Amino acid sequence: DAGITQSPRYKITETGRQVTLMCHQTWSHSYMFWYRQDLGHGLRLIYYSAAADITDKGEVPDGYVVSRSKTENFPLTLESATRSQTSVYFCASSTQGDQPQHFGDGTRLSIL
Amino acid sequence: AQSVTQLGSHVSVSEGALVLLRCNYSSSVPPYLFWYVQYPNQGLQLLLKYTTGATLVKGINGFEAEFKKSETSFHLTKPSAHMSDAAEYFCAVRRGNQGGKLIFGQGTELSVKP
Repeated sequence: DAGITQSPRYKITETGRQVTLMCHQTWSHSYMFWYRQDLGHGLRLIYYSAAADITDKGEVPDGYVVSRSKTENFPLTLESATRSQTSVYFCASSTQGDQPQHFGDGTRLSIL
Repeated sequence: AQSVTQLGSHVSVSEGALVLLRCNYSSSVPPYLFWYVQYPNQGLQLLLKYTTGATLVKGINGFEAEFKKSETSFHLTKPSAHMSDAAEYFCAVRRGNQGGKLIFGQGTELSVKP
């Protein structure tokens, strides 16, 4: 089915481990985004991408790495997870800058 | 710089009552404004958007919002609340002219009492 899919939906890991969150969209949208959602902070932008091989930092990029070798995929990697990265992570995509973003269902990440 | 303020982290209304969720923004460029709704364990879903043109915008599920430039506001309303409207609502403004990045408010949780 068309849409935006995030995997896994739930993940528990330990501090210091590397973890990758996957995001896949079937619309061929140019723009893709990663947000984290925390109580009291709303959604904060981690990284975004305007096209394949073009990525840029958002508000809270420290501790995260992204890549975009294909238009449809935008994985987010925590290279050495910390407890402060426990959060719900959302991926989104859009066609252009003035068009709405479409969101995945999120990944709930717990770091022990 | 752009910013969004949602007044009230929690709003409670009775079923059938008016829903009013407040959003004020600041923007150094003509704003593009959005309201999203989030149901438990789901992603955000677009309710409505304002880019240009008519300042009263109608969205899904009977919601509407009015862009008031003089008040820098984009409040969300619905004449009659339904139990299914219980959710978290986010107002967002496009970040300048920068490629679709959005700045979100902190969200307002709407409760609907029977």
